[in-house]
Amino acid sequence: KAGVTQTPRYLIKTRGQQVTLSCSPISGHRSVSWYQQTPGQGLQFLFEYFSETQRNKGNFPGRFSGRQFSNSRSEMNVSTLELGDSALYLCASSLGVGGGTEAFFGQGTRLTVV
Amino acid sequence: SQKIEQNSEALNIQEGKTATLTCNYTNYSPAYLQWYRQDPGRGPVFLLLIRENEKEKRKERLKVTFDTTLKQSLFHITASQPADSATYLCALHNAGNMLTFGGGTRLMVKP
Repeated sequence: KAGVTQTPRYLIKTRGQQVTLSCSPISGHRSVSWYQQTPGQGLQFLFEYFSETQRNKGNFPGRFSGRQFSNSRSEMNVSTLELGDSALYLCASSLGVGGGTEAFFGQGTRLTVV
Repeated sequence: SQKIEQNSEALNIQEGKTATLTCNYTNYSPAYLQWYRQDPGRGPVFLLLIRENEKEKRKERLKVTFDTTLKQSLFHITASQPADSATYLCALHNAGNMLTFGGGTRLMVKP
């Protein structure tokens, strides 16, 4: 069974640009969550989607947005990039909802903003 | 505000010994607590989940305890091996599938 796939693995963007990251969950998983990981702040929750609906959102500015498609694949978008957006962006998929479900993480997308 | 604390200092132990990592939390009443392992440049990998009504959970060389009175979880690796060297993260469940992670503790097992 294929794991969570994130593309691209690495990305370099310039301040002010926008970026779209993609996540394909494990087959059959309908819940997709996104996290940002930086050395200073650790892993921080961005948002969670289930059946194309955003269920929860973390404390990030409106420049960060996402969506989920009918096949459960998800994308996140960051507009007007800032240097502080440089981070590892991780996507996780889960079979069900609720905290009793383990999360399967992808390898992440390493975004560097210059 | 909610806070999860893990020892930010690296834990260095000798191969064969038991590693014990601590996760403390405040202003939470989580129904579940999870532990993950993360290697450099890779996503976290799920290890164990423990529910609030469970005191202890085991999986092979791993053991997790959950004390909701002390608001603490302990994560043990017995007979540690150099391959166990990684960063270990505890995570508490919020709404839906939202996980709030601690800062992680880096474990170094020396041969």
